[in-house]
Amino acid sequence: EPEVTQTPSHQVTQMGQEVILRCVPISNHLYFYWYRQILGQKVEFLVSFYNNEISEKSEIFDDQFSVERPDGSNFTLKIRSTKLEDSAMYFCASRPLTNEQFFGPGTRLTVL
Amino acid sequence: DQQVKQNSPSLSVQEGRISILNCDYTNSMFDYFLWYKKYPAEGPTFLISISSIKDKNEDGRFTVFLNKSAKHLSLHIVPSQPGDSAVYFCAATINQAGTALIFGKGTTLSVSS
Repeated sequence: EPEVTQTPSHQVTQMGQEVILRCVPISNHLYFYWYRQILGQKVEFLVSFYNNEISEKSEIFDDQFSVERPDGSNFTLKIRSTKLEDSAMYFCASRPLTNEQFFGPGTRLTVL
Repeated sequence: DQQVKQNSPSLSVQEGRISILNCDYTNSMFDYFLWYKKYPAEGPTFLISISSIKDKNEDGRFTVFLNKSAKHLSLHIVPSQPGDSAVYFCAATINQAGTALIFGKGTTLSVSS
């Protein structure tokens, strides 16, 4: 069964550094998402992407964040200058035309 | 502002019994609801969903009930199995392209044998 994959599984970085989190969505899906879950809190929406552009973003998704679909398979989330409070699990999700979103296993980002 | 609320942080059930997980929402614009299951160190796994035009949807051991007037939905698992032990998230969305899922805080289900 096709699934969403994410790399790396764990990323450790110093505050102020740039990080790129990578995702390979399910191949025939059309919509792509990033969510995050800070330890002990709920899963929060960051951004959605469709037809090579952002379709919706939350207040969390400020100028430090960007997304890109550089080729036909990868979907990336970049954080330009990481802060301590960016430490979280980051989940990529994709969906076909129906409403069910399918999530990847997540990348644990630790900012020191 | 919690638009999706799961007021029970945990639930313990014996194997073979029914598990009932509850969820309330406040945004009347929500018209599609989903339940996800999550194990530690894994991403949420889609379980079952329901559109606001229905009041019940069933898939094997899992049934979701929707009460629109009360803005309440519930997930029933019958019979419960030890492998069902996980965190269950309720999520809601507006049925438009690209719309985000709004999640509740989750309920940890423990099924004992």
